[in-house]
Amino acid sequence: GEDVEQSLFLSVREGDSSVINCTYTDSSSTYLYWYKQEPGAGLQLLTYIFSNMDMKQDQRLTVLLNKKDKHLSLRIADTQTGDSAIYFCAESPRNSGNTPLVFGKGTRLSVIA
Amino acid sequence: DVKVTQSSRYLVKRTGEKVFLECVQDMDHENMFWYRQDPGLGLRLIYFSYDVKMKEKGDIPEGYSVSREKKERFSLILESASTNQTSMYLCASSRGGRSRGYTFGSGTRLTVV
Repeated sequence: GEDVEQSLFLSVREGDSSVINCTYTDSSSTYLYWYKQEPGAGLQLLTYIFSNMDMKQDQRLTVLLNKKDKHLSLRIADTQTGDSAIYFCAESPRNSGNTPLVFGKGTRLSVIA
Repeated sequence: DVKVTQSSRYLVKRTGEKVFLECVQDMDHENMFWYRQDPGLGLRLIYFSYDVKMKEKGDIPEGYSVSREKKERFSLILESASTNQTSMYLCASSRGGRSRGYTFGSGTRLTVV
């Protein structure tokens, strides 16, 4: 079945760049997503990329997609303490509009001041 | 401001009680989802619904049921709560179709004693 893998922890210094990596299994995924969960809150959609794109940039966020390797990454430039959160990667498997997203287990980003 | 509202942030229930978790969305979304989130296990899909009165089992439906009598409301029911159902429960909704970023509620932290 579909699976999304992420490392569980990442620690960076304030001002450095963070790179969170994700691998997925379904080559027919049409959209791939990054969600952020702050402590005690639900998940919020950060950004997404369509599968025919290689890169998407949105202010401090850069998403890179390598379809051949089924690898997705999220780069946060100039990481701030407010970026400390859990980041989830998700894929929309198959070409069906009604198949639920598959989420990774989340990467906990800790930003050290 | 569009949103998904979960009726309680924190709940404490006794073993054997019947528990209702309510979720309401104001975005006219077709799809609604219930997840539970546990440390180290990420998000696990319990049930989802694509339309009123429709429901589909997710990955871990045992011990749960759902109700969707109106488009905007999706209820999760624990028929007889057990201590292993202590968890964070997250509700989400999305439009039908392929661009299906989810909107999440803030979560309900349920403790069964």
